[in-house]
Amino acid sequence: AQSVTQLGSHVSVSEGALVLLRCNYSSSVPPYLFWYVQYPNQGLQLLLKYTSAATLVKGINGFEAEFKKSETSFHLTKPSAHMSDAAEYFCAVNYGGSQGNLIFGKGTKLSVKP
Amino acid sequence: EAQVTQNPRYLITVTGKKLTVTCSQNMNHEYMSWYRQDPGLGLRQIYYSMNVEVTDKGDVPEGYKVSRKEKRNFPLILESPSPNQTSLYFCASRYRGGHNEQFFGPGTRLTVL
Repeated sequence: AQSVTQLGSHVSVSEGALVLLRCNYSSSVPPYLFWYVQYPNQGLQLLLKYTSAATLVKGINGFEAEFKKSETSFHLTKPSAHMSDAAEYFCAVNYGGSQGNLIFGKGTKLSVKP
Repeated sequence: EAQVTQNPRYLITVTGKKLTVTCSQNMNHEYMSWYRQDPGLGLRQIYYSMNVEVTDKGDVPEGYKVSRKEKRNFPLILESPSPNQTSLYFCASRYRGGHNEQFFGPGTRLTVL
């Protein structure tokens, strides 16, 4: 079955440190890839998406992600963490094109220490 | 303002008492979907709809019903709720293409006693 894997249910970084959240998908055919963020007691908000254009995708709040076909990965990074980045992050994949549904990873909760 | 709205935001009910969670979007999106979010499991799709009068099961449809009589509305119905349906529910919508962003509602926290 097609799936998406997020390594690490919890990641803790210090303020100013690099943020790296990992996401791997399971298809040899590049799907559409998304990262969503969920702040406490809120819905999900799109951070960025990959739709077969540039492999390095820039999103909101200084986040970016790189699509690597050879590694079937779409890891999310931010050079310098802010306290306001503390949230849960979800990688999501659409394998089915226009008719497909989003499959979500289980999420990674990011904590930022002062 | 473009948005997806859900009501109610919070609901506590008892086993077996039918309930409906409403979802409405004002963006003229063809596609709408319901998810439930449980700790450690991420979001799992319950039902989705590609357009008016077209609905289909997601990954966890048991115990739920939906309808899509109008493009903007996609209510979620629990005919006989059980405690294992205690969860956080999200409605989402997007334009037809799978590359398009999905917009999420604010969520409905349901507790079934």
